[in-house]
Amino acid sequence: GAVVSQHPSRVICKSGTSVKIECRSLDFQATTMFWYRQFPKQSLMLMATSNEGSKATYEQGVEKDKFLINHASLTLSTLTVTSAHPEDSSFYICSARDSFLAGRKDTQYFGPGTRLTVL
Amino acid sequence: SQKIEQNSEALNIQEGKTATLTCNYTNYSPAYLQWYRQDPGRGPVFLLLIRENEKEKRKERLKVTFDTTLKQSLFHITASQPADSATYLCALSNSGNTPLVFGKGTRLSVIA
Repeated sequence: GAVVSQHPSRVICKSGTSVKIECRSLDFQATTMFWYRQFPKQSLMLMATSNEGSKATYEQGVEKDKFLINHASLTLSTLTVTSAHPEDSSFYICSARDSFLAGRKDTQYFGPGTRLTVL
Repeated sequence: SQKIEQNSEALNIQEGKTATLTCNYTNYSPAYLQWYRQDPGRGPVFLLLIRENEKEKRKERLKVTFDTTLKQSLFHITASQPADSATYLCALSNSGNTPLVFGKGTRLSVIA
């Protein structure tokens, strides 16, 4: 149980285009999902907290107009990187908490990640 | 400022030995601490969660301790195997609703 999927797993795009990444909790419901970014040999850096039915909360230094987050249902959050540039190339990972199962509420379950390369 | 430090960037040990990884934190009052495993190019996989009122947790060959006085957690893998080679991440949360904050990780290599 507690499976999180991400799509796509890998994407290459041209500078200036927008890219959408989907994060789904497959066997549980999540009112809260999180988006992280990881550069090579670095730790995971939290970008934003995605709340179902309301606006996302962004970490300091993360541009909300560049990284659009939508959490339209209890099982799906999307991250759109708008007008992507080469410096946005990174590994993007989402995670979700099981909002309803008492034994799992504190654990964050992670997706497999999406490798974004902007040319 | 808040900081999470994992003792070393890389750790090499011989197969069969016990690997011990350290996580120290400052300026946190974590409600719980978690350990994850991450393989190259993959997302982190949850291993163990230990709460502030717990001293020790075990799961198969894994053991985690949590000392809130020392502000330290130790993560042990006994009878280590080459398949245990990965990066291990320590993560903290101040409460059930706040997101996890991660250390940089320790890359463990178990040599046959």
